[in-house]
Amino acid sequence: LAKTTQPISMDSYEGQEVNITCSHNNIATNDYITWYQQFPSQGPRFIIQGYKTKVTNEVASLFIPADRKSSTLSLPRVSLSDTAVYYCLVGDPLTPLVFGKGTRLSVIA
Amino acid sequence: DTGVSQDPRHKITKRGQNVTFRCDPISEHNRLYWYRQTLGQGPEFLTYFQNEAQLEKSRLLSDRFSAERPKGSFSTLEIQRTEQGDSAMYLCASSTLPTGINTEAFFGQGTRLTVV
Repeated sequence: LAKTTQPISMDSYEGQEVNITCSHNNIATNDYITWYQQFPSQGPRFIIQGYKTKVTNEVASLFIPADRKSSTLSLPRVSLSDTAVYYCLVGDPLTPLVFGKGTRLSVIA
Repeated sequence: DTGVSQDPRHKITKRGQNVTFRCDPISEHNRLYWYRQTLGQGPEFLTYFQNEAQLEKSRLLSDRFSAERPKGSFSTLEIQRTEQGDSAMYLCASSTLPTGINTEAFFGQGTRLTVV
């Protein structure tokens, strides 16, 4: 399984765009990149998934360079309610999700 | 559909006692996963089922832990002879059979176990 490295924590002011970068140098051909969000005392929630280039949904964008050795989750105009832990996961969709420690995002008013 | 349901939400037990948790997945989801999460850590994979078949168990999973999914519907996770180190949030998730892009796992709110 490809190991991921992401910042332990980040701070941002409300209304700013937040970019969380994840490093996954040994990503395999069959691996997808998936991001989950987790609020305290709740289970993780799927945000976005991609294989290459750029993916956008109503919540976030995911940027993946051509070599796929890293990815960036972009959250536009964050609010206080975006304060959470964000997990970058890399793996074959046929196998169970493997979580790291994630990035703790704190949004400040 | 109300999502993945876990019961109970909280459980306090004395060391040495057995506990059982239940997970009701989203209807018609073939896969069901159990994870454990301690404070400050990401969820740790325990085991998963495809329908009623248990396909994988983590090597870290003690033999005091057992999980079942009879008839491929709800699942139970039992911990025998609980230890203080078992105190954690136990999360259940379900998904359809993975087909590639956007195979999303849906998590329940978890059962918080405290062993005293």
